[in-house]
Amino acid sequence: NAGVTQTPKFRILKIGQSMTLQCTQDMNHNYMYWYRQDPGMGLKLIYYSVGAGITDKGEVPNGYNVSRSTTEDFPLRLELAAPSQTSVYFCASSMRTGNGYTFGSGTRLTVV
Amino acid sequence: AQKVTQAQTEISVVEKEDVTLDCVYETRDTTYYLFWYKQPPSGELVFLIRRNSFDEQNEISGRYSWNFQKSTSSFNFTITASQVVDSAVYFCALSATAQGGSEKLVFGKGTKLTVNP
Repeated sequence: NAGVTQTPKFRILKIGQSMTLQCTQDMNHNYMYWYRQDPGMGLKLIYYSVGAGITDKGEVPNGYNVSRSTTEDFPLRLELAAPSQTSVYFCASSMRTGNGYTFGSGTRLTVV
Repeated sequence: AQKVTQAQTEISVVEKEDVTLDCVYETRDTTYYLFWYKQPPSGELVFLIRRNSFDEQNEISGRYSWNFQKSTSSFNFTITASQVVDSAVYFCALSATAQGGSEKLVFGKGTKLTVNP
């Protein structure tokens, strides 16, 4: 059972480039989330989804887009990378309220 | 809005000492959940415990224990006889109601624990 899988693990982008961070879960969880972690700042919610076709903004959505075409996949898109998007990105999923999250292993992104 | 405060940014102890990590939360929800996660130097996030707002019993799991006090909105985490392997960043998190009855977690900024041999 793979759980939540994120790819890539590391990436360096140039300012203005675009990329998609992939997230897949095989637990049939309805709820999926994207967080970013900056040093000393904890985790901040970017976007989340309560099911296929349904997404909503979190605390820091600017500069990102998401889609949820299937239960399994929840990709995060950066259209015009900026240095402020240098961070570690975590994808997570949850079966139901109160269960907490299963996290992926993270993607370390550097924008130069 | 929900908020989690972990006032201790960094703590350093010597092996075998006991250490308590503080967590204070704010919410207007009557039903909510509290969590602790561990992030070791390898970077992954590991679930430690979940507590719902109706269950104020303290919990012990080996060297770990948690003290939930609704009256002070606190959910503190104690490690007894700390070990070097306990060195990590620890996050406290609070559930918040989200779209469609789902939940999202609000995290504190974390406490970095260093256990020295």
